Amino acid sequence: SQQGEEDPQALSIQEGENATMNCSYKTSINNLQWYRQNSGRGLVHLILIRSNEREKHSGRLRVTLDTSKKSSSLLITASRAADTASYFCATAPNTGNQFYFGTGTSLTVIP
Amino acid sequence: DGGITQSPKYLFRKEGQNVTLSCEQNLNHDAMYWYRQDPGQGLRLIYYSQIVNDFQKGDIAEGYSVSREKKESFPLTVTSAQKNPTAFYLCASSIRGAASNNEQFFGPGTRLTVL
Repeated sequence: SQQGEEDPQALSIQEGENATMNCSYKTSINNLQWYRQNSGRGLVHLILIRSNEREKHSGRLRVTLDTSKKSSSLLITASRAADTASYFCATAPNTGNQFYFGTGTSLTVIP
Repeated sequence: DGGITQSPKYLFRKEGQNVTLSCEQNLNHDAMYWYRQDPGQGLRLIYYSQIVNDFQKGDIAEGYSVSREKKESFPLTVTSAQKNPTAFYLCASSIRGAASNNEQFFGPGTRLTVL
């Protein structure tokens, strides 16, 4: 399986703190994407980082990519209770046209 | 409103029955995908389609079938051959396939329960 792995599996923090979650993958990629899923809902795209990029920002989100280690991290700064959700990374390999999703990190932000 | 819709939201099936899950998009996207999500787990790809009248098996296609007769529609049939079909099913679309640096847009999902 080319499914990625995320850690931690679960993360619980206080409102205002930063949350960091990591994604490791197995093959060479074209891009890596992060998605958010609220309980029982569909996924929502957060950010896409290409294989030739090392860091990308979007609002309170910061994503890094290290292709030599086949890993990525998602940082959410100044977290809010509304950030409570599951977060998934998805990779688009260099060959083929399907995405591979990680196992997800469940984030709980305590008000 | 542009988007991707799935119906029904909840579906109950008796063992031995086939059921079809609907997925429609009005985003004019070429690529469409079906994923299965089990509790506390990530998404696993069942089938995907890059263009009309063409589709490929994903990692867990056994017991499922699809069709892509129209660009906007990609229905999934869960057949009686699928031994453990109870799960949350998600449909997604993207402008083109994964290699094209496109994001996926997801529908709200269908929760299938086998009684």
